[in-house]
Amino acid sequence: GENVEQHPSTLSVQEGDSAVIKCTYSDSASNYFPWYKQELGKRPQLIIDIRSNVGEKKDQRIAVTLNKTAKHFSLHITETQPEDSAVYFCAARKYNNNDMRFGAGTRLTVKP
Amino acid sequence: DAGVIQSPRHEVTEMGQEVTLRCKPISGHDYLFWYRQTMMRGLELLIYFNNNVPIDDSGMPEDRFSAKMPNASFSTLKIQPSEPRDSAVYFCASSSDNKYEQYFGPGTRLTVT
Repeated sequence: GENVEQHPSTLSVQEGDSAVIKCTYSDSASNYFPWYKQELGKRPQLIIDIRSNVGEKKDQRIAVTLNKTAKHFSLHITETQPEDSAVYFCAARKYNNNDMRFGAGTRLTVKP
Repeated sequence: DAGVIQSPRHEVTEMGQEVTLRCKPISGHDYLFWYRQTMMRGLELLIYFNNNVPIDDSGMPEDRFSAKMPNASFSTLKIQPSEPRDSAVYFCASSSDNKYEQYFGPGTRLTVT
């Protein structure tokens, strides 16, 4: 089955700096890669996703890149703000399979 | 839309007792997922349903766990008997057939003493 690895497990940045979180996946048939943000005590919420027919997607300060050949994808947050502090999860799934595998999560802390 | 609804939000029970967690998916969504979240194991998919039918229950840890979806607007996850190692946050999520996004409920924090 699919195996998703996520790095780093913790990340601390200064407000205004950029943050990058990386994930790798094992199943070359995976074609959907979402990123979820989970604030303390809250539910995971989708912040951005990318499908395998696209190499990059951007939404304001958040961008995701995908390298299908290398089987890795990354989340980029620019101009970080204290409210970006949370745990971020990557995930991967195949088109015809709803079994979505999550990475272990990255705890991002943005220092004011 | 109220989003995915779960109840109870918190449950504290003693080892050996039966626990039932409940979920109401977003109206019109035909997929429903049960996840368990712990510090040690992260987010794990336990089981998912499509049109009320269980499709994949390979993530259900043991026979003590069972899940049902009697209709399109209601699902339960039952643990009988419960054990301390079942302590976790249990999330329900739903999605529709033509979209990949899964929407999570607020979760049920289960503590088994």
